[in-house]
Amino acid sequence: LAKTTQPISMDSYEGQEVNITCSHNNIATNDYITWYQQFPSQGPRFIIQGYKTKVTNEVASLFIPADRKSSTLSLPRVSLSDTAVYYCLVGDVNSGYALNFGKGTSLLVTP
Amino acid sequence: DSGVTQTPKHLITATGQRVTLRCSPRSGDLSVYWYQQSLDQGLQFLIQYYNGEERAKGNILERFSAQQFPDLHSELNLSSLELGDSALYFCASSVPRLGELFFGEGSRLTVL
Repeated sequence: LAKTTQPISMDSYEGQEVNITCSHNNIATNDYITWYQQFPSQGPRFIIQGYKTKVTNEVASLFIPADRKSSTLSLPRVSLSDTAVYYCLVGDVNSGYALNFGKGTSLLVTP
Repeated sequence: DSGVTQTPKHLITATGQRVTLRCSPRSGDLSVYWYQQSLDQGLQFLIQYYNGEERAKGNILERFSAQQFPDLHSELNLSSLELGDSALYFCASSVPRLGELFFGEGSRLTVL
C-alpha cells in the first residue's frame, strides 16, 4: 500500500481557498487517490476521488500532477463548517481498496 | 445518513469483558470494513470482509475477531478488554470498484 504524508494541521480564515497537499511517492499504477472529511465523533465522509489531472465536484477540486506522486485537495472559500480532519487515501479500488487512513490534516477555519 | 447502521452507539464495560459490535451495510454493498479510532489517533484499519469472506486484515489484535454473515451484516467481537481498547469503532461498506466507503456513525466503547 502506498504510504501517504500530509501536514498535521492547517489554519485558515473564512472565505479563503485552502489547499491541502498529500505526498504518495510510491503510488502504484492501479491506485486511485481519494479524500475524506471527518467531523468529531462522526464517520468520515467521501469528498472526491481522482486518478490523474484534475477532478472537480460541487465541494472541492483535486489536482494530481503527471507523476502522480502527490495530490492537492482544494477547498474554495472555506467556511467555519469546513473545520474538520481531512484524509488522503491511496489504493487500488479493485483489490480491496485503500485501507489505511493515517492521521489526516486537521483544518481549523476561523472568522 | 450513509445507510450504514451500527449498534450499539455507546457501550461501557469493564476490563476483561467481551463485547460484540454490529454493523449493517448499505443495501447492495458486499464489502464491510472495520476501523478503530482512539483519542487523537487516525483511523486504524482492522479487517475487511467481502461477501462473507475475509478479504484483508490490518492491525487487528488476536483478542478481536469479526465475521460477515450471509445477510451481509457483520459483527466485531472484542474480548479480554483492556483500558486501551476504549475507542470509536467504525464500520464502513462499499461496492467494490466504486471507490467510495460509506461509514456508519460508530460505536463508542469505553472500558473502565
